[in-house]
Amino acid sequence: SQKIEQNSEALNIQEGKTATLTCNYTNYSPAYLQWYRQDPGRGPVFLLLIRENEKEKRKERLKVTFDTTLKQSLFHITASQPADSATYLCALVAILTGGGNKLTFGTGTQLKVEL
Amino acid sequence: DGGITQSPKYLFRKEGQNVTLSCEQNLNHDAMYWYRQDPGQGLRLIYYSQIVNDFQKGDIAEGYSVSREKKESFPLTVTSAQKNPTAFYLCASSIADRGKNIQYFGAGTRLSVL
Repeated sequence: SQKIEQNSEALNIQEGKTATLTCNYTNYSPAYLQWYRQDPGRGPVFLLLIRENEKEKRKERLKVTFDTTLKQSLFHITASQPADSATYLCALVAILTGGGNKLTFGTGTQLKVEL
Repeated sequence: DGGITQSPKYLFRKEGQNVTLSCEQNLNHDAMYWYRQDPGQGLRLIYYSQIVNDFQKGDIAEGYSVSREKKESFPLTVTSAQKNPTAFYLCASSIADRGKNIQYFGAGTRLSVL
């Protein structure tokens, strides 16, 4: 069966360090992989998208890698700040044979950046 | 300001009651979605609509109903048939492109049972 796995345990890191979050998937052939940020009691906010033929994407302090052989994406936040504390969701976009696409979310990993 | 507005922020349902959650967008997006979020389970798709007057069931549609009479609006009704309605409900919209499906979310409605 199809599965998207993110570490359910919270990741605690010190301010200024690089946070690395993992998204693993099985039985998917995603065309795109997305990362969202969700704050408590709020809706997710889109951060980055990477295509299946891209290895890496950057945006300011954010970096996403995508390894379709390992079936894994890594999400990095460099020089992390307490304001980066949130839950981060990965989501996979699969193109359907009949047209259209389907977006499926992982369960998210909570990041806590401490002073 | 463009965006998605969900209301109310908090909603309480009595036994046997139907309740309707509102979702309005002014992003001019064709596609709209409803998700349910439970602790530890991520977002699960309830219903989606890619065009006015058309909608499709998602993965957990039982006990829910929707309508899409206007492009801007996609209300969700939680019926009495939904036996475990307590959850955080999220509405989203996207451009109906073939691929990227980047979704823009509202602030959510938290539904509880009295």
